[in-house]
Amino acid sequence: GENVEQHPSTLSVQEGDSAVIKCTYSDSASNYFPWYKQELGKRPQLIIDIRSNVGEKKDQRIAVTLNKTAKHFSLHITETQPEDSAVYFCAAGGGSYIPTFGRGTSLIVHP
Amino acid sequence: DGGITQSPKYLFRKEGQNVTLSCEQNLNHDAMYWYRQDPGQGLRLIYYSQIVNDFQKGDIAEGYSVSREKKESFPLTVTSAQKNPTAFYLCASGLAGGFYNEQFFGPGTRLTVL
Repeated sequence: GENVEQHPSTLSVQEGDSAVIKCTYSDSASNYFPWYKQELGKRPQLIIDIRSNVGEKKDQRIAVTLNKTAKHFSLHITETQPEDSAVYFCAAGGGSYIPTFGRGTSLIVHP
Repeated sequence: DGGITQSPKYLFRKEGQNVTLSCEQNLNHDAMYWYRQDPGQGLRLIYYSQIVNDFQKGDIAEGYSVSREKKESFPLTVTSAQKNPTAFYLCASGLAGGFYNEQFFGPGTRLTVL
């Protein structure tokens, strides 16, 4: 089955800096890569996703890049703000029947 | 935040008891999922269902049971066979073939064993 590794587990940045979270996957058949944000005590919510026919996707301060050859994808957050502080999960789906999640990255943005 | 709901928000269980967590959605989604979340473990799949009256075990199904009698509802029972049930439980729904589409999560139920 699919295996998703996510790094780092914790990321601490100053407000205004950029943050990058990386995930690798093992199943070359995976073709859907969502990112979810989970604020403390709340539900995960989709913030951006990318499909395998696209190499990069942007939405304001958030971008995701995909390298199918290397089987890795990354979340980039620019001009971080304190409200970006949360746990971020990557996932890979489409190869196996259900998505496989990474273990999460706790992002802390210091004012 | 409407669309998928879970109840109760907090649940306490004594050892040896079975408890049932509710999950309801009005998004007309065929697929529904149950995840367990522990600190540092990410989201681990317990059970999923792609259609009414059908469901499959996920990675950590032991000690849990589900039913899918209605499209809108996917209750999870935590049985006494689950030795370490204290965790945050998340229900999700999505379009059929949910591996290729966004999942919508409920607000979660925090279960504590006394």
